[in-house]
Amino acid sequence: AQSVAQPEDQVNVAEGNPLTVKCTYSVSGNPYLFWYVQYPNRGLQFLLKYITGDNLVKGSYGFEAEFNKSQTSFHLKKPSALVSNSALYFCAVRWMDSSYKLIFGSGTRLLVRP
Amino acid sequence: DSGVTQTPKHLITATGQRVTLRCSPRSGDLSVYWYQQSLDQGLQFLIQYYNGEERAKGNILERFSAQQFPDLHSELNLSSLELGDSALYFCASSVATNTGAEQYFGPGTRLTVT
Repeated sequence: AQSVAQPEDQVNVAEGNPLTVKCTYSVSGNPYLFWYVQYPNRGLQFLLKYITGDNLVKGSYGFEAEFNKSQTSFHLKKPSALVSNSALYFCAVRWMDSSYKLIFGSGTRLLVRP
Repeated sequence: DSGVTQTPKHLITATGQRVTLRCSPRSGDLSVYWYQQSLDQGLQFLIQYYNGEERAKGNILERFSAQQFPDLHSELNLSSLELGDSALYFCASSVATNTGAEQYFGPGTRLTVT
């Protein structure tokens, strides 16, 4: 069965430092992987996705993610964190059937301290 | 702004009642998805419609139903409401003609059942 896991409930990082939010997945075939961010009282915003091609995917707001097939991971990264990046981050995998539904991880809360 | 609109923004109702949540997808998007976000269950896929037809079902209760109309807007009907139905309900849309298409989320409807 397809699934996605975010092993950390919360990640704390100082402003200006690099950040990593971890995601691992379990899916048959070639995965389609996504990252979304949710700010308080807001809907989810699409950040980036991996479909095929280059393992390093660049997305919105300076975020990037590295697809690693051997480790079945899709970690979200940013070289220099901002306080405004503090939010809830969700990794998602596309269900590999005729629908396009997403299966979401449990979310990781990122706190960037000044 | 994702282009997906949801009404109402907030809804407070009593147990046993019935409510209808409305969603208008982004212009050109044929597929609509409904998700429920609660503290204990996380983000759960409920149901998907594509161009008026049901495409996939997730963890949707029998008391819940949805439909997509010819103008592509969608409604999620929740009946015989229970306290545990209190949650944030999101609608998302995608083109769904591209298997790698990302979903765009609306701002959500916060349902409180008292």
